[in-house]
Amino acid sequence: EPEVTQTPSHQVTQMGQEVILRCVPISNHLYFYWYRQILGQKVEFLVSFYNNEISEKSEIFDDQFSVERPDGSNFTLKIRSTKLEDSAMYFCASSASQGNNEKLFFGSGTQLSVL
Amino acid sequence: EDQVTQSPEALRLQEGESSSLNCSYTVSGLRGLFWYRQDPGKGPEFLFTLYSAGEEKEKERLKATLTKKESFLHITAPKPEDSATYLCAVQASGGSYIPTFGRGTSLIVHP
Repeated sequence: EPEVTQTPSHQVTQMGQEVILRCVPISNHLYFYWYRQILGQKVEFLVSFYNNEISEKSEIFDDQFSVERPDGSNFTLKIRSTKLEDSAMYFCASSASQGNNEKLFFGSGTQLSVL
Repeated sequence: EDQVTQSPEALRLQEGESSSLNCSYTVSGLRGLFWYRQDPGKGPEFLFTLYSAGEEKEKERLKATLTKKESFLHITAPKPEDSATYLCAVQASGGSYIPTFGRGTSLIVHP
């Protein structure tokens, strides 16, 4: 069964450093998403991406965050200058379309620890 | 503001002891309600979509139901492998198709 893959599974960084989280969505999917989950809290939406541009973003997704689809398969989330509060599990997801009842397929996540 | 509330936060069951998880929602209109399963250290895995009151979906020991204000995930004769966090997400009517997740119910089934 096709799946969303994320790398790395764990990332440790120093505060103020830039990190890039990588995702390979399911190949025939057109919509891509980043979510995060701080330990013990709910899954929160960050951004959605379609047709090489951001289609929607939450208030969490500020100027420190950016997304890119650098080639035909990868989808990346960059955090320019990490803060302690960016420590969380980051999930990439994809969907075939974006409509009523469209389910999301999630990757296994990247655990980001900012020291 | 749209809200999704799940209860209980945590549930411990003995193997074979049936129970239900609740997801109540307050949205201006419902496009769809999703149930996901999340294992520790993993991403959410899709279980069901419901979109109209009265609808029911089943998969093995799980059955999801929907009313106008809440959804239940019924677990019949659970096994230890059903232990996971169960997440509810609601897709509201309006401009955005992005679902809002609840905090989840952590289920532990003891052998």
